[in-house]
Amino acid sequence: QKEVEQDPGPLSVPEGAIVSLNCTYSNSAFQYFMWYRQYSRKGPELLMYTYSSGNKEDGRFTAQVDKSSKYISLFIRDSQPSDSATYLCAMRGGATNKLIFGTGTLLAVQP
Amino acid sequence: GAVVSQHPSWVICKSGTSVKIECRSLDFQATTMFWYRQFPKQSLMLMATSNEGSKATYEQGVEKDKFLINHASLTLSTLTVTSAHPEDSSFYICSARTDENTEAFFGQGTRLTVV
Repeated sequence: QKEVEQDPGPLSVPEGAIVSLNCTYSNSAFQYFMWYRQYSRKGPELLMYTYSSGNKEDGRFTAQVDKSSKYISLFIRDSQPSDSATYLCAMRGGATNKLIFGTGTLLAVQP
Repeated sequence: GAVVSQHPSWVICKSGTSVKIECRSLDFQATTMFWYRQFPKQSLMLMATSNEGSKATYEQGVEKDKFLINHASLTLSTLTVTSAHPEDSSFYICSARTDENTEAFFGQGTRLTVV
């Protein structure tokens, strides 16, 4: 079993839709949870960073962490074609504190 | 966010030659830098962690003698792929952070093609 599971998609939505992206994980030691956006042939860009459980909002993006269920989500409101990219969840914590990535979800927002 | 610059963005080299990739933190001092490898449609796989002035720590399965990492200053780390072969063709990405309590920022990646 992978430490971090993420549906690879692809996920296609119409412009303006609400997008929900999710990851599950198995390591209860994870404490820091991140979402990255990666455009084709580019490095990942940090979108959201959350410590422990709870919600965090930044503009059209909302990140949720439920440590009891080992489940994290990223919501994108009023999605735009420019949001089309691969979204990677990542997390770290515990003894090694290494950043572990999900496989990424490819999102396409259709104009 | 902080800026991490990676150079070159892409490189094509002949089999058997060596290639050096640079990773620079432009507006902060990076105590730790990380090197990742990413295959098409796959996630980032950590290759090694380097701390300034120390030897890099390599992940299991990563050949130290093939992927030479140097972190000589707080703003520069280099990855040298020695005696490159076609199977080394991949997207290599670095990241850098100030300390373990801050998040790492990523470079734009280097696409290596070995022919």
